[in-house]
Amino acid sequence: QKEVEQDPGPLSVPEGAIVSLNCTYSNSAFQYFMWYRQYSRKGPELLMYTYSSGNKEDGRFTAQVDKSSKYISLFIRDSQPSDSATYLCAMSPAGGTSYGKLTFGQGTILTVHP
Amino acid sequence: EAQVTQNPRYLITVTGKKLTVTCSQNMNHEYMSWYRQDPGLGLRQIYYSMNVEVTDKGDVPEGYKVSRKEKRNFPLILESPSPNQTSLYFCASSSWSGANVLTFGAGSRLTVL
Repeated sequence: QKEVEQDPGPLSVPEGAIVSLNCTYSNSAFQYFMWYRQYSRKGPELLMYTYSSGNKEDGRFTAQVDKSSKYISLFIRDSQPSDSATYLCAMSPAGGTSYGKLTFGQGTILTVHP
Repeated sequence: EAQVTQNPRYLITVTGKKLTVTCSQNMNHEYMSWYRQDPGLGLRQIYYSMNVEVTDKGDVPEGYKVSRKEKRNFPLILESPSPNQTSLYFCASSSWSGANVLTFGAGSRLTVL
């Protein structure tokens, strides 16, 4: 079993839809939770990160972490064609020798059509 | 502009011909890392470096070498490439900020025939 599981999709939605992307994980030591967005032929870029449990909102994007269920989510409101990309969840323990070592999900391919 | 620069972006080579993928960052980051990205497997860490002259293996280090002689550079060396190293490679860096936030390069697509 992989440490981080992410449904690869692909996911296709109409413009304006609410998108929900999810990851589950098995390592209870994970403390940092991130979402990266990767456009075609580009490197991943950080979208949002949270520490431990809770919600975080940034414009149309909301990240949620439920450590009790080992489940994280990214919601995109009013989705736009420009949101079409691969979304990668990533997580890591806090500090020490694990610093910088992110464990990634497989990525979900999202297409928002006009 | 703060960035991680990788070269070459695209490379086709043959089995056994040594190659180096360069990586340079201009953000004075201590931490640098190499990942490979394969369909269905996601991003997997190859090697990482906590600082100059400090490197360690990631999850898939076999067939790769790295060095960190300068803070800004972290080249990935394939001494004798094989077809199973055909992949998309990413270099990334971060600072000791506590948030483990990586800045990625644009990627290097390598094909080994």
